[in-house]
Amino acid sequence: AQTVTQSQPEMSVQEAETVTLSCTYDTSESNYYLFWYKQPPSRQMILVIRQEAYKQQNATENRFSVNFQKAAKSFSLKISDSQLGDTAMYFCAFMRGNDKIIFGKGTRLHILP
Amino acid sequence: DSGVTQTPKHLITATGQRVTLRCSPRSGDLSVYWYQQSLDQGLQFLIQYYNGEERAKGNILERFSAQQFPDLHSELNLSSLELGDSALYFCASSPGLAGGRYQETQYFGPGTRLLVL
Repeated sequence: AQTVTQSQPEMSVQEAETVTLSCTYDTSESNYYLFWYKQPPSRQMILVIRQEAYKQQNATENRFSVNFQKAAKSFSLKISDSQLGDTAMYFCAFMRGNDKIIFGKGTRLHILP
Repeated sequence: DSGVTQTPKHLITATGQRVTLRCSPRSGDLSVYWYQQSLDQGLQFLIQYYNGEERAKGNILERFSAQQFPDLHSELNLSSLELGDSALYFCASSPGLAGGRYQETQYFGPGTRLLVL
């Protein structure tokens, strides 16, 4: 069974700093998808970034980028120039094909003014 | 705004009661997923429908059931409610098969907060 592990329950950084959230996963699949979702205090689940396992190039979305290490089964999220609006719970997630998403337990990120 | 709508936003009910949560997927999306987010269990997959048919089941209790209608909206029915059913229930949708391949990214609705007293 697939599992997703986020080893940092909570983090705090100063505004404008760069922060990296860690995620590891376990699977025997070769084709899959990895996501980072953000859940702000409103509790809405917002897709931050998506990575397809067959693509070697790391995904980037504006200030958000990932470091995808397939062999190590690692998928970290880097937030550059962090902003107060980035304060949220961040979930790393795994999905195999047209299937359910398996979520990690989340990292609560505080951006401090 | 993800394009996925869920009603109601909040629901307060008593133990033993039955409620229905409704989800309208993004226009054109064929797949609907239901997830439960509780404090102790985190985010858990309940059930998936694809174009009206049940496709996958997760940790869904027998007291819970769901269906997807011909217009692709979905309903999650929760019966004989218990205090432990209090949670945030999310619906997500994805295109499913589009352009000859599965488009897998799931977009989440705002959720329905259920409080069982």
